[in-house]
Amino acid sequence: AQTVTQSQPEMSVQEAETVTLSCTYDTSESDYYLFWYKQPPSRQMILVIRQEAYKQQNATENRFSVNFQKAAKSFSLKISDSQLGDAAMYFCAYKEEGGSEKLVFGKGTKLTVNP
Amino acid sequence: GAVVSQHPSWVICKSGTSVKIECRSLDFQATTMFWYRQFPKQSLMLMATSNEGSKATYEQGVEKDKFLINHASLTLSTLTVTSAHPEDSSFYICSALGRSSGNTIYFGEGSWLTVV
Repeated sequence: AQTVTQSQPEMSVQEAETVTLSCTYDTSESDYYLFWYKQPPSRQMILVIRQEAYKQQNATENRFSVNFQKAAKSFSLKISDSQLGDAAMYFCAYKEEGGSEKLVFGKGTKLTVNP
Repeated sequence: GAVVSQHPSWVICKSGTSVKIECRSLDFQATTMFWYRQFPKQSLMLMATSNEGSKATYEQGVEKDKFLINHASLTLSTLTVTSAHPEDSSFYICSALGRSSGNTIYFGEGSWLTVV
């Protein structure tokens, strides 16, 4: 079964600085999708960024970018120019191409942004 | 991104009664919907997966007779907590996947259930 591991329960960063959240996963599949979701105190799950495994190029969305290392099964999230509104729980998630379609989540990383 | 709406956001019900939570995909057809429960300071726990027009597939340990899931149309799924008890109090959140959602799963706002 696929698993997703987030080894950092909590992280903190100074406003305007850069922080990297780690995520590793385990799968025997070659086609899959990876996601980072943000869950602020409102508890809504917000999609931050997604990566298709067949794409070598790392995904970027404004201040958010990933470092996708397929061979190492690593998918880290970099947040640049951190803002107070970035404070939230961040969940890394995996989804197969086809198959069960469900997301497999990591346990999450709580990010604190210090002013 | 696609929009998924969940209602109600907050609900309080008496022990022994049933409560229904709705999940709607507003701008795409959701072929598959998922229902999660989230305990404090934990990740999301998948309860069941529902495909339009067919019975839901429940995860191990989830009581299908207690948590009734219906996915009658491509834009609506409902979760009914039957004979609710205080231990059912939790945050419930739905998500949806459709042909036009680009293999991305979008989440509703979630519903807080308190059983008194």
